[in-house]
Amino acid sequence: GNSVTQMEGPVTLSEEAFLTINCTYTATGYPSLFWYVQYPGEGLQLLLKATKADDKGSNKGFEATYRKETTSFHLEKGSVQVSDSAVYFCALRDNYGQNFVFGPGTRLSVLP
Amino acid sequence: NAGVTQTPKFRVLKTGQSMTLLCAQDMNHEYMYWYRQDPGMGLRLIHYSVGEGTTAKGEVPDGYNVSRLKKQNFLLGLESAAPSQTSVYFCASSWDRNYGYTFGSGTRLTVV
Repeated sequence: GNSVTQMEGPVTLSEEAFLTINCTYTATGYPSLFWYVQYPGEGLQLLLKATKADDKGSNKGFEATYRKETTSFHLEKGSVQVSDSAVYFCALRDNYGQNFVFGPGTRLSVLP
Repeated sequence: NAGVTQTPKFRVLKTGQSMTLLCAQDMNHEYMYWYRQDPGMGLRLIHYSVGEGTTAKGEVPDGYNVSRLKKQNFLLGLESAAPSQTSVYFCASSWDRNYGYTFGSGTRLTVV
């Protein structure tokens, strides 16, 4: 079955540090890949997505590239801010299913 | 603002009690979903609907029932609550399988 694996957190960084959150997946066919962000006390929000191999999704300074050869979709940001503190979820949706499969989430804390 | 609204936001139930969680969306989305979020387990799909009058089971459907009598509403019912159903419940909707979800802000349910 389809699955998503994320690096375990929590991840703690100083403001302006470089961020990488690893995500790898297992899926049949050619899934679409997503990153969602959940701020404290809120629901998940779509951060970025990529629908085919080599696509790069980007939003709010975050980027992730769909790497089919390594089945990965790592999230990166060049300079994090305190306001980026949240839980980040990697997810996939395959071409056959109706639904998303979510990773367990990675909690990011950014210190001033 | 358009979006997904969940009611109630918080609820405490005694074991064996019943309740219904309401999800309403005003974006004319066809697809609606109910997830539960538990620490370290990410989001798990309970039930979903691909249109008015349709429902289907997700990954963890036992102990829950759903109805989609109107396109904009998706109800999640617990007939006889159990402590294992203590969780945060999220509703989501989407326009199409290739789009990301719009999430509600969640319902925190505690069963004692």
